[in-house]
Amino acid sequence: GAGVSQSPSNKVTEKGKDVELRCDPISGHTALYWYRQSLGQGLEFLIYFQGNSAPDKSGLPSDRFSAERTGGSVSTLTIQRTQQEDSAVYLCASSLEGPPQYFGPGTRLTVT
Amino acid sequence: RKEVEQDPGPFNVPEGATVAFNCTYSNSASQSFFWYRQDCRKEPKLLMSVYSSGNEDGRFTAQLNRASQYISLLIRDSKLSDSATYLCVVSNQGGTYKYIFGTGTRLKVLA
Repeated sequence: GAGVSQSPSNKVTEKGKDVELRCDPISGHTALYWYRQSLGQGLEFLIYFQGNSAPDKSGLPSDRFSAERTGGSVSTLTIQRTQQEDSAVYLCASSLEGPPQYFGPGTRLTVT
Repeated sequence: RKEVEQDPGPFNVPEGATVAFNCTYSNSASQSFFWYRQDCRKEPKLLMSVYSSGNEDGRFTAQLNRASQYISLLIRDSKLSDSATYLCVVSNQGGTYKYIFGTGTRLKVLA
């Protein structure tokens, strides 16, 4: 079956604009994670959804970042008033439980 | 101190060699440990979990040392296809499932 998909694959935006990044997890996977990875850096945890539980938002770097997961499936990560330091690859992963098992290909965000 | 630390490498080894990486973690209450591999400009892929008693998967052996707070990954009979960055992952305490990734150790297997 299909793996985790993310869209867009690349996004170039001007500083100050809002962006939405989408993640389609593997069907039936209740756990969904968002990470970001800057060039040459490790993965930085952003947010975790598990079923109907309240999400763990402890990794979101500022209040410009928010995420939703509708119907326990698709998730959207929104960055408002983007800054240059937001430039990174944003990775989504899903699993039934436990660690992020399957990652999507990521969205490469460039803020100019 | 970083929560998870790895030697960035690169480790350059000839085909057939045995190579080992360590990863140290700062939170003594960490519950779960994993190794991932990440190829250049690709997404990470789960390689193996690390169990308290140590575990093996083919040419790969993972070990956990709770007393010294490190995990290790040993690769035997290295293949060219093993060339990648190996990421150490540690879960935080309390079951909130925040998995912390190290910055990775880069391995180059040379022909």
